[in-house]
Amino acid sequence: DAKTTQPTSMDCAEGRAANLPCNHSTISGNEYVYWYRQIHSQGPQYIIHGLKNNETNEMASLIITEDRKSSTLILPHATLRDTAVYYCIVRGSPSQRGSSNTGKLIFGQGTTLQVKP
Amino acid sequence: GAVVSQHPSWVICKSGTSVKIECRSLDFQATTMFWYRQFPKQSLMLMATSNEGSKATYEQGVEKDKFLINHASLTLSTLTVTSAHPEDSSFYICSARVASGRAWGELFFGEGSRLTVL
Repeated sequence: DAKTTQPTSMDCAEGRAANLPCNHSTISGNEYVYWYRQIHSQGPQYIIHGLKNNETNEMASLIITEDRKSSTLILPHATLRDTAVYYCIVRGSPSQRGSSNTGKLIFGQGTTLQVKP
Repeated sequence: GAVVSQHPSWVICKSGTSVKIECRSLDFQATTMFWYRQFPKQSLMLMATSNEGSKATYEQGVEKDKFLINHASLTLSTLTVTSAHPEDSSFYICSARVASGRAWGELFFGEGSRLTVL
């Protein structure tokens, strides 16, 4: 799986949009970009994923550049409860069958987002 | 989303004893589950891949005799830390891969189990 690079930490004011960047310059054509977050002392929580088109759900938006070498996770109106470590992970297609694809997720160091009042 | 439950949430044990942690997929079947370990202020480190009905696959540097994994059914995987020592104190997290249906292949995580070895 391709390696990702994220800033170590970011601050965001409550109520403002939080934009978390991720570089994945070695991503291959069939790899997806996944975002998870981990609130202190809890298991990771799925946020969103995409292949090449921008995606939006009730939690966030994912913007993927045209060359797919980077992406940005957007939390439109950050709240104090969004304070967490955010992980950007590149992963092969989840529905890809075959013994060579276990679908495992390899976590990098992530970005610690601190939402401040 | 699908629910993955871990038990116990936290456990304290004496050095030299063995501890079993369960990971259950509550509303879906999971032929594959993954076990991670996380030390304070560090990221999750993948320990092993647990496959239903077969032997687990361990990541490099993880002792298979130390961390016993059993995946006896499509909804349950267990991790046993044998002869635990203080350096095994950590946050252990499992994830389960959906085996069928619309969410096939997606991964969901448990809440984690905190092990403290005295």
